[in-house]
Amino acid sequence: EIVLTQSPGTLSLSPGERATLSCRASQTVSSNYLAWYQQKPGQAPRLLIYGASSRATGIPDRFSGSGSGTDFTLTINRLEPEDFAVYYCQQYGSSPQTFGQGTKVEIK
Amino acid sequence: QVQLQESGPGLVKPSETLSLTCTISGGSINSYYWSWVRQSPGKGLEWIGYIYYSGSTNCNPSLKSRVTMSVDTSKKQFSLKLTSVTAADTAVYYCAAGMVRGVLIGRYFFDYWGQGALVTVSS
Repeated sequence: EIVLTQSPGTLSLSPGERATLSCRASQTVSSNYLAWYQQKPGQAPRLLIYGASSRATGIPDRFSGSGSGTDFTLTINRLEPEDFAVYYCQQYGSSPQTFGQGTKVEIK
Repeated sequence: QVQLQESGPGLVKPSETLSLTCTISGGSINSYYWSWVRQSPGKGLEWIGYIYYSGSTNCNPSLKSRVTMSVDTSKKQFSLKLTSVTAADTAVYYCAAGMVRGVLIGRYFFDYWGQGALVTVSS
């Protein structure tokens, strides 16, 4: 199965700053089938990005995804207070689909 | 808009069977892969498997020998059974839905999630 490694584990930033989150796959992600989710305490994950770079419905344009092959990035421009959360990547190009271990974006 | 709600016992004894049901509101039952995902502190998010409205399934090989999934289209529900549970199966269990897109079977991301159900395995 494909192992996804997210870095850093924790990102300490201030509102208004840019967050850059990395997701590296142990093998090529087929068709760049890579998604990003946001999870807040006590809530289910929420879809942000699919297909490596397509924003899900209703997701603000300060969230963007990029990358291909084995290296993917989620960028959050101008962090808003509601953006402080844990972010997960997921590959769905190969079965079993797998998730990264998460990156926590916390307020500095 | 699809809404999902998990139901089932919150406490299961070791070696017994964990049973959960997910009730679907909204959406078309033949348009999604109806899925189970669990989240535990030790293993993070783990895909358990999916069932399609036709009854076809696919499961994570790590759990396949213990997992049974079923769907009741008339009730708009799908269910999970996990046998021979241990403390390692303690987790928040989510039901989730991924829309069927394209021609590649079983290649999907999660559009919708239930709120999650905490299941603790303990005697």
